[in-house]
Amino acid sequence: EAQVTQNPRYLITVTGKKLTVTCSQNMNHEYMSWYRQDPGLGLRQIYYSMNVEVTDKGDVPEGYKVSRKEKRNFPLILESPSPNQTSLYFCASSRISSGNTIYFGEGSWLTVV
Amino acid sequence: RKEVEQDPGPFNVPEGATVAFNCTYSNSASQSFFWYRQDCRKEPKLLMSVYSSGNEDGRFTAQLNRASQYISLLIRDSKLSDSATYLCVVNIKTGNQFYFGTGTSLTVIP
Repeated sequence: EAQVTQNPRYLITVTGKKLTVTCSQNMNHEYMSWYRQDPGLGLRQIYYSMNVEVTDKGDVPEGYKVSRKEKRNFPLILESPSPNQTSLYFCASSRISSGNTIYFGEGSWLTVV
Repeated sequence: RKEVEQDPGPFNVPEGATVAFNCTYSNSASQSFFWYRQDCRKEPKLLMSVYSSGNEDGRFTAQLNRASQYISLLIRDSKLSDSATYLCVVNIKTGNQFYFGTGTSLTVIP
């Protein structure tokens, strides 16, 4: 089954404790991206990657890091989480071609206290 | 100016009603257009792509107006199960960037 898998799905952590949210896709997609979704603000892009070893900042990259060492994986790293990073996070992937659609993981609820 | 703008609603309609959502986009280089559906606390899922000639999928009809840079979604004979948030999504080929509207909330009332 074609899917984007992210973990953990739910996490409560404390300020400053490094955490990683993993993302993996099995569709051989070149493009992967991380978004956060907050009430009234919609989906905002954090980082994206067009291919292995190629990553770029989105609209709200501060406080986040990513890596793309393998095509299927695109982890999101919060080196020193703060309460304003409490949010719902989505990983997504797509092909790079005309008419391509984007597929989302199930989401990760992150609370930083 | 936001890349994609849509009326957040909420739209509260009775079962069986017809409801229409509109969305405008600012980048004339936009190449692909979609409507996604998002249920509460779930991931967005593709509802339908939007083609230049317009397209229909059952009770759902999508239209694209490139000249005016807007897309629309029409839902006929609304069902309770249509209650969700509908996201307008635009893809720009350069950089393969996707831009999302903030979503329009629909509640279908018995």
